[in-house]
Amino acid sequence: GAGVSQSPRYKVAKRGQDVALRCDPISGHVSLFWYQQALGQGPEFLTYFQNEAQLDKSGLPSDRFFAERPEGSVSTLKIQRTQQEDSAVYLCASSLPGSYYEQYFGPGTRLTVT
Amino acid sequence: GQQVMQIPQYQHVQEGEDFTTYCNSSTTLSNIQWYKQRPGGHPVFLIQLVKSGEVKKQKRLTFQFGEAKKNSSLHITATQTTDVGTYFCAGPDMYSGNTGKLIFGQGTTLQVKP
Repeated sequence: GAGVSQSPRYKVAKRGQDVALRCDPISGHVSLFWYQQALGQGPEFLTYFQNEAQLDKSGLPSDRFFAERPEGSVSTLKIQRTQQEDSAVYLCASSLPGSYYEQYFGPGTRLTVT
Repeated sequence: GQQVMQIPQYQHVQEGEDFTTYCNSSTTLSNIQWYKQRPGGHPVFLIQLVKSGEVKKQKRLTFQFGEAKKNSSLHITATQTTDVGTYFCAGPDMYSGNTGKLIFGQGTTLQVKP
């Protein structure tokens, strides 16, 4: 079946621009996670949704980062006024109820801020 | 804060040699996950370990969870070029309850020379 999809796959933004990154989780997966992965590092947790409820946003680095999942399926991660330090791969993952740690990752969006 | 550390960071082996990566947590873990990320790809779930001292095998891969549930290892017997990639361990965030929030190690990157 279809896996987690993310778009765009690559995004180049000029410093100060706003960006929106989209994630389509696997159908039926109620849990959705966003991670940031810097080059040569492991993924770092940003935020977590259960259905449409954002239950944990402790990993969002600043108030420039905002995530939503209004209908409990597709999610969007928005970054306002991008900075160079925002350059990274943004990964989305989803999981089934009760199997929170068996996460299925999407291909990621590579964001480059120039 | 809670940390998950992996050693070594890089390992180059000749095809057919064995490989081991070690994962250590600063806190006792309720479970531990292992993921594999191929070059240019996204993390793929390999396995979850839950019990103290647990050993699980997947073909040439052997996963162990330490008795104190603070460390884990992944051993690959007779490496093949298809084993190339970065192996991450990940443990649950102890402050978040059972939400799926994972703390990833920095990974061990395996290169296999044919």
